[in-house]
Amino acid sequence: QVQLQESGPGLVKPSQTLSLTCTVSGGSISSGSYYWSWIRQPAGKGLEWIGRIYTSGSTNYNPSLKSRVTISVDTSKNQFSLKLSSVTAADTAVYYCARMNPRIFDYWGQGTLVTVSS
Amino acid sequence: SYELTQPPSVSVSPGQTARITCSGDALPKQYAYWYQQKPGQAPVLVIYKDSERPSGIPERFSGSSSGTTVTLTISGVQAEDEADYYCQSADSSGTSVVFGGGTKLTVL
Repeated sequence: QVQLQESGPGLVKPSQTLSLTCTVSGGSISSGSYYWSWIRQPAGKGLEWIGRIYTSGSTNYNPSLKSRVTISVDTSKNQFSLKLSSVTAADTAVYYCARMNPRIFDYWGQGTLVTVSS
Repeated sequence: SYELTQPPSVSVSPGQTARITCSGDALPKQYAYWYQQKPGQAPVLVIYKDSERPSGIPERFSGSSSGTTVTLTISGVQAEDEADYYCQSADSSGTSVVFGGGTKLTVL
């Protein structure tokens, strides 16, 4: 059973960079034809796809966030990561990591709340 | 950028049929997927490839597609179906994933 777990600071200051890591267990991140994705959800609002990374390392990003987002993978640690730069209060949200198989989000992390505030 | 449009809310009485629509220009080319999300939980897939139902999802959940609109139908709605429902698809190139704005299903 694949499991995903987000980790990272719960509080980030405005203009700084938000950094989160997703640790995958129960399977190798580099096996199979999967995308590894980040999704966020502001309180009381809908889901917003942030971007994804393929097992080969190729990436796709939400056009509205592309200039601020970097997703990378560390196969040796079975992890993938999100960096979102120049954050503002509008980036406050629950951030989920998830596996895409290949177009279905079939496994999700529990989500982690990141608050942007000084 | 590409958008999927859902009604913000749908209300039905127990035992009735709920229909939630999702509209987008690329839906004739790209499959749609539906997720159910209950408070404090991660979303759960209820329909994939427009009309396929994953194992473990009750038969009362079904999906259909017509042109630029896909529809999630819940027949014989139960109180436990009260949740937010999101459609998901991709833009015409397939490289950008998009979620609809979500529909809150209220069981009266």
